Amino acid sequence: QVQLQESGPGLVKPSQTLSLTCTVSGGSISSGDYYWSWIRQPPGKGLEWIGYIYYSGSTYYNPSLKSRVTISVDTSKNQFSLKLSSVTAADTAVYYCARSGSGYGAMDGMDVWGQGTTVTVSS
Amino acid sequence: DVVMTQSPLSLPVTLGQPASISCRSSQSLVYSDGNTYLNWFQQRPGQSPRRLIYKVSNRDSGVPDRFSGSGSGTDFTLKISRVEAEDVGVYYCMQGTHWPGTFGQGTKVEIK
Repeated sequence: QVQLQESGPGLVKPSQTLSLTCTVSGGSISSGDYYWSWIRQPPGKGLEWIGYIYYSGSTYYNPSLKSRVTISVDTSKNQFSLKLSSVTAADTAVYYCARSGSGYGAMDGMDVWGQGTTVTVSS
Repeated sequence: DVVMTQSPLSLPVTLGQPASISCRSSQSLVYSDGNTYLNWFQQRPGQSPRRLIYKVSNRDSGVPDRFSGSGSGTDFTLKISRVEAEDVGVYYCMQGTHWPGTFGQGTKVEIK
């Protein structure tokens, strides 16, 4: 049973870079069968798909965040990561990592989610 | 981006009674391969979202058969045939046809 676990600082100062890592257990990122996503949920609000990555390093970013987002993968550690630069209070959210099928499977959304990690942007 | 509009936003339901959630998209969700990539997620209080249904009507493994999805084009519905206490939470529709995939605002299901 694959499991995903987010990790990273819970507090980030405005204008700095938010950095999170998702560790995958019970399955290999390198299998090529899945895409690996980041999604966020501001307090009391809905869900926003930030972007996703394939084990090869191919990435797909939400255009609304593209200028500030970098998603990377480390297959040797079975991890993928999120960096969001120039953060403001509007980036305060619960950040989830998740898995979706590869190819057209990405369009079916995410079938496995991490527990989420709260990131607050504040000085 | 494709806008997903859910209604109602709040749905009080009596245990054992049916519930229905509507989701409308601002564009057709039919993809060039003929499939319609409309998905439903459940988020119980304090938990991560969980996918219930993909491609309009396909239930995920372990999802009770009291959950069903239907619809086409731009109009979709999630139905719970008989609401149980464990169904309390927020339900989101999500379209995957057009990048970026987008979610509805969520419908909060609660017990009367």
